[in-house]
Amino acid sequence: TQLLEQSPQFLSIQEGENLTVYCNSSSVFSSLQWYRQEPGEGPVLLVTVVTGGEVKKLKRLTFQFGDARKDSSLHITAAQPGDTGLYLCAGALETSGSRLTFGEGTQLTVNP
Amino acid sequence: NAGVMQNPRHLVRRRGQEARLRCSPVKGHSHVYWYRQLPEEGLKFMVYLQKENIIDESGMPKERFSAEFPKEGPSILRIQQVVRGDSAAYFCASSPLGDRNTEAFFGQGTRLTVV
Repeated sequence: TQLLEQSPQFLSIQEGENLTVYCNSSSVFSSLQWYRQEPGEGPVLLVTVVTGGEVKKLKRLTFQFGDARKDSSLHITAAQPGDTGLYLCAGALETSGSRLTFGEGTQLTVNP
Repeated sequence: NAGVMQNPRHLVRRRGQEARLRCSPVKGHSHVYWYRQLPEEGLKFMVYLQKENIIDESGMPKERFSAEFPKEGPSILRIQQVVRGDSAAYFCASSPLGDRNTEAFFGQGTRLTVV
């Protein structure tokens, strides 16, 4: 059973399109982090959200934490080929201390 | 990756040998986490250590695997008598604090291949 369900698993779009990646759970998280991972590299932290309903923007990326702190979304506006990569959500469960529970990732491909 | 250094980047071991993976956290970070990423799977927590102490090893296999984070030097993940199923990417992350809202920064990983 996957505690954090990420969808879609794969996404292939054209340059300039918008997209949203979802991260859902039935559990409550104290915080949720989004990472991007390139092939052969480690995850690179994009953002951390800690408050229910919180919205954070990072250039063309918008991150939202659900009111109940059980879900999150990542929206990319006007995607570019440089956005191609594996996007991972990871959360710290209220009951599990500081260790992170990861979703299985969304592999995004942006075609020129 | 905020300065977390892992070595080696790639490690090949024959079945039955030992594998030692090293992780130097960001300077000043005293909390280290190890995660494993199997092919086609997400990252799974293995162990959480603070200097000289294992805080949470609930994700680590009971046999053949051990971890340490000594007062001086890097954190070490040790796998004895490796088997093919141990082939994976092993990532270390560090943070300055051990609370749930503190950001963790990852190293580039060690890719272990067991032949």
